[in-house]
Amino acid sequence: AQSVTQPDIHITVSEGASLELRCNYSYGATPYLFWYVQSPGQGLQLLLKYFSGDTLVQGIKGFEAEFKRSQSSFNLRKPSVHWSDAAEYFCAVAGVRDYKLSFGAGTTVTVRA
Amino acid sequence: DAGVIQSPRHEVTEMGQEVTLRCKPISGHDYLFWYRQTMMRGLELLIYFNNNVPIDDSGMPEDRFSAKMPNASFSTLKIQPSEPRDSAVYFCASSLGLAINEQFFGPGTRLTVL
Repeated sequence: AQSVTQPDIHITVSEGASLELRCNYSYGATPYLFWYVQSPGQGLQLLLKYFSGDTLVQGIKGFEAEFKRSQSSFNLRKPSVHWSDAAEYFCAVAGVRDYKLSFGAGTTVTVRA
Repeated sequence: DAGVIQSPRHEVTEMGQEVTLRCKPISGHDYLFWYRQTMMRGLELLIYFNNNVPIDDSGMPEDRFSAKMPNASFSTLKIQPSEPRDSAVYFCASSLGLAINEQFFGPGTRLTVL
């Protein structure tokens, strides 16, 4: 079965600074990979996804993620964060046969002025 | 579209009571998912449906939990009897075409069992 590890529980970043959130997955083949964002009191919203092809994926709200097979990683980045980016971010993986999403524990991002 | 609609948004009940959570997926979506989010276990998939048929319920914790989808626009998750450890936020999500396509999440129901 697939699994996801998000090593950072909480990250604090200054507004305008760059952000990188780490995600490592465990799966026997190339999985489907996702990043979702959850604002307080809200459901999750898809930021981006990787199925195949170009390993650098662009998403909404200025986010991008890079799939690195050799490192089993799918890290999320944003060059310059805005106060509205404060939220909880979830990496998720789905197997190519089993389409169920397995979520990481999440990383909470705090943005300071 | 109004998005995925869940009701109630908050539910407080006493141990032993029956709880019913409701979900209206986005019109036209053929997949529906129920998730549970807790601090201890994170976000877990409980069950999902395709065209109103349950496909995988392996995440349902125990027999006290049941889910139905009588038609394409309505699903329920029922807990009977409820226990304090069922306290969590329950999310419903829907997607179109494939389970791995983007899932659109509802705002969740925060359940507290006293």
